[in-house]
Amino acid sequence: GEDVEQSLFLSVREGDSSVINCTYTDSSSTYLYWYKQEPGAGLQLLTYIFSNMDMKQDQRLTVLLNKKDKHLSLRIADTQTGDSAIYFCAESGTGGYNKLIFGAGTRLAVHP
Amino acid sequence: DAGVIQSPRHEVTEMGQEVTLRCKPISGHDYLFWYRQTMMRGLELLIYFNNNVPIDDSGMPEDRFSAKMPNASFSTLKIQPSEPRDSAVYFCASSLGDRGYTFGSGTRLTVV
Repeated sequence: GEDVEQSLFLSVREGDSSVINCTYTDSSSTYLYWYKQEPGAGLQLLTYIFSNMDMKQDQRLTVLLNKKDKHLSLRIADTQTGDSAIYFCAESGTGGYNKLIFGAGTRLAVHP
Repeated sequence: DAGVIQSPRHEVTEMGQEVTLRCKPISGHDYLFWYRQTMMRGLELLIYFNNNVPIDDSGMPEDRFSAKMPNASFSTLKIQPSEPRDSAVYFCASSLGDRGYTFGSGTRLTVV
């Protein structure tokens, strides 16, 4: 079945790079997404990558996709305290191309 | 656009009472989703609509839950009767095709 897995916690020092990893099971996913959730708020779409791409860069964010290993990562350069949040990986499952399956989320803590 | 609007932001109700959560999607979006978020189960897709028609309600926990979308600008999620285990944050999201979801700020439901 469809499943998305992420590590639950990541702690980094301010100014360092953060790398959040995700594995998924559905090789037919058209898009893969990264969402950010701040306390008390809904999920905010950060970026997404089309399945025929290997990499996408958007300012401090870099998304890498290894389709063979079904591995997705999000790199945040120069991590700031404002980046502290929960980050969700999502794939568009086979149940309908627009039906997203979310991982459990990775809580990123940025410390001075 | 004001984004996806959910009401109320917080709801506290007694066990056995009926609860109605409301959602106004972004104008022009053709998909609407209802999710539930808890610490134990993460984000669960309850039901989604395409052009006001329910497409997949397999995530609805039981018959106590029902959802409607009478028109393109309004949807409701109803729980009757409510139980303490229904306590969670309920999110509504909308999208246009496969361009990623826009989430509302959520309704925090507490059933006592």
